[in-house]
This record gives sequence, structure tokens and C-alpha cells, in this order.
Amino acid sequence: AQTVTQSQPEMSVQEAETVTLSCTYDTSESDYYLFWYKQPPSRQMILVIRQEAYKQQNATENRFSVNFQKAAKSFSLKISDSQLGDAAMYFCAHSGALYGNKLVFGAGTILRVKS
Amino acid sequence: KAGVTQTPRYLIKTRGQQVTLSCSPISGHRSVSWYQQTPGQGLQFLFEYFSETQRNKGNFPGRFSGRQFSNSRSEMNVSTLELGDSALYLCASSLAGARETQYFGPGTRLLVL
Repeated sequence: AQTVTQSQPEMSVQEAETVTLSCTYDTSESDYYLFWYKQPPSRQMILVIRQEAYKQQNATENRFSVNFQKAAKSFSLKISDSQLGDAAMYFCAHSGALYGNKLVFGAGTILRVKS
Repeated sequence: KAGVTQTPRYLIKTRGQQVTLSCSPISGHRSVSWYQQTPGQGLQFLFEYFSETQRNKGNFPGRFSGRQFSNSRSEMNVSTLELGDSALYLCASSLAGARETQYFGPGTRLLVL
């Protein structure tokens, strides 16, 4: 079974500083995809970044980057130059090619940004 | 392109009633997935439809059902509502295959009294 674990229920960061959110996963598949989604108070789920398991290079989207450690089944999200608008719940998610479009989510990490 | 739309946005029902939620995917997207989000259980996959066929199903009772129309719009139905069905129901669409990114709608917040 696929599982995703986010061990940090809540994190805080000072504006303009860097924060890393942790995620580990378990899967028996070799072809899979990992995602970070952001859910602000509006509850709209927004894609932050995506990583294909077959790619060794870590994905990057502007201030957001991941540290993908395939052997350790670890997928952390680094947010640089944190902004007030980054405050949200962040979900790590996994989907495997065998399971179609079924996303398995972690429990989420609330990120608070202090000014 | 317009994003994923869901209607209604808010809904209040009483126990025993049934409810139908609607989802319109991004134009060109053929896959629609549904998720339930609750404080206790988090985000859970309900089912996925592709080309009017249910392609994947989560571990929910048969009271939860869905369908997809030829224009890719999807509906989900919950019969005999229970208090525990109170949740945010999220719909997500993607182009087609398992390797595609899913894009979410704003959700329908259902309250069962």
C-alpha cells in the first residue's frame, strides 16, 4: 500500500527566511510521482511542485525546490525567501502509475509566516 | 483556460437525505477525481472517472457514487447522508493518464445536520 507521512504538524518561519517541510513515503512501484500542494485558508488546493521518480534532478519552481532522496523515500520541500502569502497548509502527495490518478496525501503541515 | 469549477460551494442537508455535487473539469481534461477532506481523516480518494467510466475507486461505502458525462463533467452522489459525511469535497481534473498532474477545484463544503 502507498503511504505518505508528514511528521511536522506545524512549522513557523520568519519572513524572508528559508524553511524545509519534510515528507516520507512508501511505495512498491518504480514508476511514480510526488507532489506538494498548498491549501490556503480559502481551501483551494494549489499545485506547488511536482517530481517524477525517474528523474534524478530535483524539481524547482521559483522559490520552491525539493530534495528528492529516492533510496530513503524522502521528499522534502524547501521554501526560500518566505513570504506572508506562503502561509498555508502544505500537503505532500504520491501517485503511482499503477493506481491511475489516485493521489495519496500526507496529513499536512501548517506553515505560519511571521512578519 | 478556466479552472475546475464545482457547484454548489456550500450545502446544508439533514441526515437521511441525499445530495449531488457537480464538477466541471478544465477544458480538454478527460479525467475527474473526487476527494473527501475531513479534520479527522484528512484527504481521502473517493473515485476517478475517465471517458465516462469509473477507472479507480477508494474505500468508501456504496452510498457514495459518481458518474461522468460525455463532456467530461462529473457528478457525485451521496445517499442516506450521515453526520460523518460532513466534509469538504474536492474535485480534481487532469488530461488523461496516471502521469498527469491533477488540478483542483475550490471544493463543495457539505454540512450534515
